[in-house]
Amino acid sequence: QVQLQESGPGLVKPSETLSLTCTVSGDSISSNRHYWGWIRQPPRKGLEWIGSGYYSGSDYSGGTHYNPSLKSRVTISVDTSKNHFSLKLTSVTAADTAVYYCARHVGSGDYFDYWGQGTLVTVSS
Amino acid sequence: DIQMTQSPSSLSASVGDRVTITCRASQSIRGQLNWYQQIPGKAPKLLIYAASDLQSGVPSRFSGSGSGTDFTLTISSLQPEDFATYYCQQSYSVSLTFGGGTKVEIK
Repeated sequence: QVQLQESGPGLVKPSETLSLTCTVSGDSISSNRHYWGWIRQPPRKGLEWIGSGYYSGSDYSGGTHYNPSLKSRVTISVDTSKNHFSLKLTSVTAADTAVYYCARHVGSGDYFDYWGQGTLVTVSS
Repeated sequence: DIQMTQSPSSLSASVGDRVTITCRASQSIRGQLNWYQQIPGKAPKLLIYAASDLQSGVPSRFSGSGSGTDFTLTISSLQPEDFATYYCQQSYSVSLTFGGGTKVEIK
């Protein structure tokens, strides 16, 4: 059974960098079968795709796709030795307060079939 | 970005009712449309992919249809565990987008 678990600080100050990690069990990030993605949900609002990455064999840089509205601030990277992938979002504001989900992104159909439980990140001083 | 519009934004229904939710894309997305269910406090769950393919383990009372710009999710006989918010998501564009959600409440 594939499981994903987000981890990271629950509180980030404005203008700083939000950093989250998603640890995967039951599947291998380095297997090249899937993308791995991040989706967020502001309180009482809908879902927003942040970006997804694909392990290309050397690093993630050749296989990443980002939401255009966030692209300038987002980096997704992977650590195959720990079977986890990470999200960095720079220069955060209160508008970045949300529950952040990691998910397995099925590349053949571009949908998300396994999700983490989500982690709330609040941006506040 | 491709905009996804769901209707209605909320509805009230009773156990046993047939429920239909609509999702409209701002341009043709062929059949590249997926549906998720989200129970409050939980992560979304994939129900339907590629407009009409049922995800493994999802009850057969859920079905999807449509192509181009107009899609529907149908619950043939609403069960107590189906009261949730439903989201569509297009996978035609590399920039993935979700609809605003439809909340299904108990009448």
